[in-house]
Amino acid sequence: GNSVTQMEGPVTLSEEAFLTINCTYTATGYPSLFWYVQYPGEGLQLLLKATKADDKGSNKGFEATYRKETTSFHLEKGSVQVSDSAVYFCARATGNQFYFGTGTSLTVIP
Amino acid sequence: DGGITQSPKYLFRKEGQNVTLSCEQNLNHDAMYWYRQDPGQGLRLIYYSQIVNDFQKGDIAEGYSVSREKKESFPLTVTSAQKNPTAFYLCASSARDSYNSPLHFGNGTRLTVT
Repeated sequence: GNSVTQMEGPVTLSEEAFLTINCTYTATGYPSLFWYVQYPGEGLQLLLKATKADDKGSNKGFEATYRKETTSFHLEKGSVQVSDSAVYFCARATGNQFYFGTGTSLTVIP
Repeated sequence: DGGITQSPKYLFRKEGQNVTLSCEQNLNHDAMYWYRQDPGQGLRLIYYSQIVNDFQKGDIAEGYSVSREKKESFPLTVTSAQKNPTAFYLCASSARDSYNSPLHFGNGTRLTVT
């Protein structure tokens, strides 16, 4: 089937800590992979994407690498800030069919 | 600035009433989507439309209806048949002619039915 599994939260980190949020996918074909971020009371914003194996998406210090051999797309950031507190969603798409993980809530404390 | 506008941001209705949520985009995107978000459940697809005058049911279409008379607009009606309508509703769009083009989201409408 087509699904996305991401690490359950909530995750609480101190400022400047290293962040990893795990995401794995199951799919046939060659999906594109995305990370979205949702701040309280808002819609989802695209954070980064990767369209083929070994691609690395990056934005605002966040990175994720499309690993076909492990069907993973883990989100990382070397030093989180309080402003990174949000809910993060992993997603996969084939054509116009999108599938989302359940979201991981991140709280960064000063 | 191009984007997706959902209105209103907050909506309150009495049980048994139909209510329509507005979604307008000026991104010239062909595909539009409606998702429902509940705490701890991620996003669930209600309806999507790949082109004007055509739309398909998503995973949880029961109790909802949509129309796509114009490219820019994709309103969602929550009918009285929807058993648990209180939720956060998100509209999104994407460029159909671009393979795996990302979704662009509006800021959502929070519907409360009492």
